[in-house]
Amino acid sequence: GDSVTQMEGPVTLSEEAFLTINCTYTATGYPSLFWYVQYPGEGLQLLLKATKADDKGSNKGFEATYRKETTSFHLEKGSVQVSDSAVYFCALRDSSYKLIFGSGTRLLVRP
Amino acid sequence: KAGVTQTPRYLIKTRGQQVTLSCSPISGHRSVSWYQQTPGQGLQFLFEYFSETQRNKGNFPGRFSGRQFSNSRSEMNVSTLELGDSALYLCASSFTGPGQNTEAFFGQGTRLTVV
Repeated sequence: GDSVTQMEGPVTLSEEAFLTINCTYTATGYPSLFWYVQYPGEGLQLLLKATKADDKGSNKGFEATYRKETTSFHLEKGSVQVSDSAVYFCALRDSSYKLIFGSGTRLLVRP
Repeated sequence: KAGVTQTPRYLIKTRGQQVTLSCSPISGHRSVSWYQQTPGQGLQFLFEYFSETQRNKGNFPGRFSGRQFSNSRSEMNVSTLELGDSALYLCASSFTGPGQNTEAFFGQGTRLTVV
């Protein structure tokens, strides 16, 4: 079945460092891809999305490009802030409208 | 525009009891999905309702059930609670219809603790 694999965390960075969180997927067909973020005690917030190959999703300085040839959707940000500390989930939405999530990557940004 | 509203935010129940959780989707959204989040299993899909019909179901026992009303509000019910049902239950709504595949917006969740 479809699946999403994310890099293990936690990822610890200093403020203003460059962030990459790797995400790869296995799917039949052409799923839509998403990044969600979860702050402590909260639900999931949609960060960005891409619906077809070579699409680039972006929001709040975060970017991810839908790479069909490598089945990847890596999350990047050029300069992280302390307020970016959270858990990040990569997800795909299959043809049955179900979201399949990766295991999540905890990001800790130190001042 | 109001977001997805889940009630209650926190629940403590005793093993063997049953519980009902509620979700009000974003106005105009007809699809409501439920997910269970636990530290061990991560985020797992429970079921999805669209226009009052269950359209998709995850791999959970029959103790987990749901329904959707004509105003798109949804409830999920867990009967005969077990300790392992302790989790954050998240509801998501989307404007998804036949041929569409749009993003899902999540509520803040209901934290269920079974003692």
